[in-house]
Amino acid sequence: EEQLVESGGGLAQPGGSLRLSCEGSGFTFSRFWMAWVRQVPGKGLERVANIKHDGSERYYMDSVKGRFTISRDNAKSSVSLQMNSLRVEDTAVYYCTRASRPIFGVVTQFDFWGQGTLVTVST
Amino acid sequence: QSALTQPASVSGSPGQSITISCTGTSTDVGDYDFVSWYQQHPDNAPKILIFEVNKRPSGVSYRFSGSKSGNTASLTISDLQPADEAVYYCCSYADTIPDVIFGGGTNLTVL
Repeated sequence: EEQLVESGGGLAQPGGSLRLSCEGSGFTFSRFWMAWVRQVPGKGLERVANIKHDGSERYYMDSVKGRFTISRDNAKSSVSLQMNSLRVEDTAVYYCTRASRPIFGVVTQFDFWGQGTLVTVST
Repeated sequence: QSALTQPASVSGSPGQSITISCTGTSTDVGDYDFVSWYQQHPDNAPKILIFEVNKRPSGVSYRFSGSKSGNTASLTISDLQPADEAVYYCCSYADTIPDVIFGGGTNLTVL
């Protein structure tokens, strides 16, 4: 059974850091693009970042460029999101997703989602 | 880039069919066939229903179908079931950013 399990969410202060991790199982992790998508509670969805299957290309939404870093370790079937300089507006549930159909590096399809991890940025 | 426009809510009775619209512009829905639809039940992760406008992933019921006309994509659910009650999101590639953008979500109630 395909599965994605996130960890690492929690409470952070504005300007602080958090690291999210996601472990995949039940599929050949190294063959797929992976992405993080976030959902502000009660609101919509946003693609945060995605990374090519071999880690050679990474793409970010404009508001997190320079603050967030996506990485992966195919040997461990894992993908991470290092979030620095956190802002109140980064508060959301962050989903790890298996992704596909990239156009100019931006994945356009999210085939499978983890259960999500809540990140709260507040004083 | 604005979100794609979806109705806030739709409703239908069991056995009926409903259609959810997703309106974009000529730089997203109208120009690309990379439109997908997701279903989200309360406190659950989204699940893909449709990709590339009208294709169903393995395991998704035939009752879910997608289409597109001009700048508007649509999701039709036939033979409504109580389990279909959920929030539905559309998604499209948008070349003005570039990025993918999502609709605001449509809350489906099965009466």
